[in-house]
Amino acid sequence: AQKVTQAQTEISVVEKEDVTLDCVYETRDTTYYLFWYKQPPSGELVFLIRRNSFDEQNEISGRYSWNFQKSTSSFNFTITASQVVDSAVYFCALSTRGNAGNMLTFGGGTRLMVKP
Amino acid sequence: KAGVTQTPRYLIKTRGQQVTLSCSPISGHRSVSWYQQTPGQGLQFLFEYFSETQRNKGNFPGRFSGRQFSNSRSEMNVSTLELGDSALYLCASSGDGYSGANVLTFGAGSRLTVL
Repeated sequence: AQKVTQAQTEISVVEKEDVTLDCVYETRDTTYYLFWYKQPPSGELVFLIRRNSFDEQNEISGRYSWNFQKSTSSFNFTITASQVVDSAVYFCALSTRGNAGNMLTFGGGTRLMVKP
Repeated sequence: KAGVTQTPRYLIKTRGQQVTLSCSPISGHRSVSWYQQTPGQGLQFLFEYFSETQRNKGNFPGRFSGRQFSNSRSEMNVSTLELGDSALYLCASSGDGYSGANVLTFGAGSRLTVL
């Protein structure tokens, strides 16, 4: 069975602050994929990044960066110099090769509020 | 390129009724997945269809069912509605492949309220 835990249910920061969203996962599969999605108030989930279990290289995309550590089963997401437009709910998700198809296990989500 | 389209966006039903939600995937995508999002349970996987066949099923009662048509459009049906079925139902589509690596593209959801 898979499990994703996002311990931070809500984070509030002031614009331009850096913020890190934590994600811890559990799986017995050796091949798996980790995702981050953003859910703005409009409702749809917007894909941000995918990482496979064999690629522990950290990634940076503009103000966004991701830190994947298999040793601690964590896949944390950092927003540098946060902006009001970053306000949304962020979900970490896991899928495994063992699933015959596309089935994501989501964490509970972290609501990020960026105040001006 | 059009995204994933879900209809209706909002609907209100009463207990005991049934409801059908529709999802049109991105053109060329053959996989359609459904998720239920509630404040209490979060995002939970309902089922996935690929080429008109159910490929995966989550842990939901038989009142929840779905199907996929030859043009990859999908519908989900909930019969004998209960108050706890009030939720945002999200549909997602993806390309071929079944390794778990596919990126899902989500629609804006259908928000169901059961009174």
